[in-house]
Amino acid sequence: GAGVSQSPSNKVTEKGKDVELRCDPISGHTALYWYRQSLGQGLEFLIYFQGNSAPDKSGLPSDRFSAERTGGSVSTLTIQRTQQEDSAVYLCASTGRNTGELFFGEGSRLTVL
Amino acid sequence: QKEVEQDPGPLSVPEGAIVSLNCTYSNSAFQYFMWYRQYSRKGPELLMYTYSSGNKEDGRFTAQVDKSSKYISLFIRDSQPSDSATYLCAISTGGGNKLTFGTGTQLKVEL
Repeated sequence: GAGVSQSPSNKVTEKGKDVELRCDPISGHTALYWYRQSLGQGLEFLIYFQGNSAPDKSGLPSDRFSAERTGGSVSTLTIQRTQQEDSAVYLCASTGRNTGELFFGEGSRLTVL
Repeated sequence: QKEVEQDPGPLSVPEGAIVSLNCTYSNSAFQYFMWYRQYSRKGPELLMYTYSSGNKEDGRFTAQVDKSSKYISLFIRDSQPSDSATYLCAISTGGGNKLTFGTGTQLKVEL
């Protein structure tokens, strides 16, 4: 596709359930980032992939959060035993350049009831 | 103290006004400065990018960086209703490193 694709666009789940969020970056982009955006909190960095490895996982808020990237392309962010405070928009971005220009998807809006 | 501080607004201005949006940062290691624009329910998109002190102009938009004061600004001239969006400053220590974002300023340009 032409841009970063994320799915699902909206997810409503019950507290305690696991969720998986998917990101399909722009073809050829080697770097992939996950951010979380909560109301009034701006974008919070979660994890960064270069190829399939994750040199920076420092933003993952707890061990309930994990992410993987396979084939240097698609990435999945998994949240186990979801809590209400996990409700947010989860944004994925990719870049193929050594610059600050990140190309963002439209996000996955997660609501935990 | 957050690494990047940005007034969340909201900021409401009449069409044609000059808009000034600002961020301050605390870490002098930050070298790359960006402004992203985010429309409602969309992902952010890059608007302006600079890595040096001074001004950079692109059409109606001017980005200003003052490294000595750790202060960055975005000016929008002749603002239009289509400029209504959230504007996020973003900074980085290096070209390939993660971006640290401000909270974003919500701007509304009214007819």
